[in-house]
Amino acid sequence: EDQVTQSPEALRLQEGESSSLNCSYTVSGLRGLFWYRQDPGKGPEFLFTLYSAGEEKEKERLKATLTKKESFLHITAPKPEDSATYLCAVRLLQGAQKLVFGQGTRLTINP
Amino acid sequence: DGGITQSPKYLFRKEGQNVTLSCEQNLNHDAMYWYRQDPGQGLRLIYYSQIVNDFQKGDIAEGYSVSREKKESFPLTVTSAQKNPTAFYLCASSIAAALSGNTIYFGEGSWLTVV
Repeated sequence: EDQVTQSPEALRLQEGESSSLNCSYTVSGLRGLFWYRQDPGKGPEFLFTLYSAGEEKEKERLKATLTKKESFLHITAPKPEDSATYLCAVRLLQGAQKLVFGQGTRLTINP
Repeated sequence: DGGITQSPKYLFRKEGQNVTLSCEQNLNHDAMYWYRQDPGQGLRLIYYSQIVNDFQKGDIAEGYSVSREKKESFPLTVTSAQKNPTAFYLCASSIAAALSGNTIYFGEGSWLTVV
């Protein structure tokens, strides 16, 4: 069964304290891996797409990386405004019409 | 502004009622989707449509219905057959469903509560 698991479920950091969020996947074939940011009561906001192992993408304090089994979202020197839930999703080779989502990591950055 | 507009933001449904959630996009996207989000669970696909006048069931289609009469619009009806409809509903769209890696963009969501 295709599965996406994110860890940790919740993470609390101090402002400036760097860390990483993990997204591991067990799928029959990967067409792409997506990261989204979701604020409370809002729709997910697209951050990155990664297509192949070894690929990296950066945006401000965020950097996403991909291996054959997992993806990491690294956050460097975070600020309180980075607090949100971060969602990982994979698009499968078969049935490419949908995304399979993980449960998300709720990130809180304390000032 | 280009984007995906969902309405209403908040909706209350009485037992036995059907309700319809609206989704309109002006991104000229071919594919549209409906997802459901429950606390502690990942987003789950209800229905998707790759082209006008065509749609397919997702993983949790029971108790829901959709139509795609226009490219811009993909309304979702939550019927009385849906036993646990209280959730956050998200509409999304992409350039084309089947092309490799096309990003799916989301609307702001609609909260449905059964009273």
